[in-house]
Amino acid sequence: DTGVSQNPRHKITKRGQNVTFRCDPISEHNRLYWYRQTLGQGPEFLTYFQNEAQLEKSRLLSDRFSAERPKGSFSTLEIQRTEQGDSAMYLCASSLGRTDLYGYTFGSGTRLTVV
Amino acid sequence: GNSVTQMEGPVTLSEEAFLTINCTYTATGYPSLFWYVQYPGEGLQLLLKATKADDKGSNKGFEATYRKETTSFHLEKGSVQVSDSAVYFCALVLQGAQKLVFGQGTRLTINP
Repeated sequence: DTGVSQNPRHKITKRGQNVTFRCDPISEHNRLYWYRQTLGQGPEFLTYFQNEAQLEKSRLLSDRFSAERPKGSFSTLEIQRTEQGDSAMYLCASSLGRTDLYGYTFGSGTRLTVV
Repeated sequence: GNSVTQMEGPVTLSEEAFLTINCTYTATGYPSLFWYVQYPGEGLQLLLKATKADDKGSNKGFEATYRKETTSFHLEKGSVQVSDSAVYFCALVLQGAQKLVFGQGTRLTINP
């Protein structure tokens, strides 16, 4: 068990470009979550999957954002036409069983800088 | 709605001092409560949790008690170390739900 893995760790992109991040959850975990964390703030929920089904999306997830989890394993988060306001740490987490009993396991995050 | 409020940081203490980081919450249902810790350049790690009123979560010398009457879950440690320097996040999730709601975080710095 290598924990939750996120790639890349850092991404610098020019405004208007598209970026894609990858998350590999703990292998037996069926739920996967994406959060966004801006400087000095707590993580904010973006979306979550149970197996391959995307069950909830935040209003923060504009139509420029799309997340997938094909085959219920790894997940990708794509941001199209990036804006400077998209600069943040993007965190992925995974879980098995009830969140209210066990919480999540987080990855180390992908830090996005839009210039 | 559901929300978590933490004491403003940053908090700076000397080694071996007593630590309290305040956390209060509002919830539309019955929540479970968590403390997560984030070390520089890393993701969040679960520190401790409590799933019902009067439960005490503890780990690595840290403790927090779920107080329903004051809607609080304050984090305490009797003697902090330099290695405890990090950002601490209080969070809640309603029973049966999947979405963790986080506070804004409190940065803790411990000086030798």
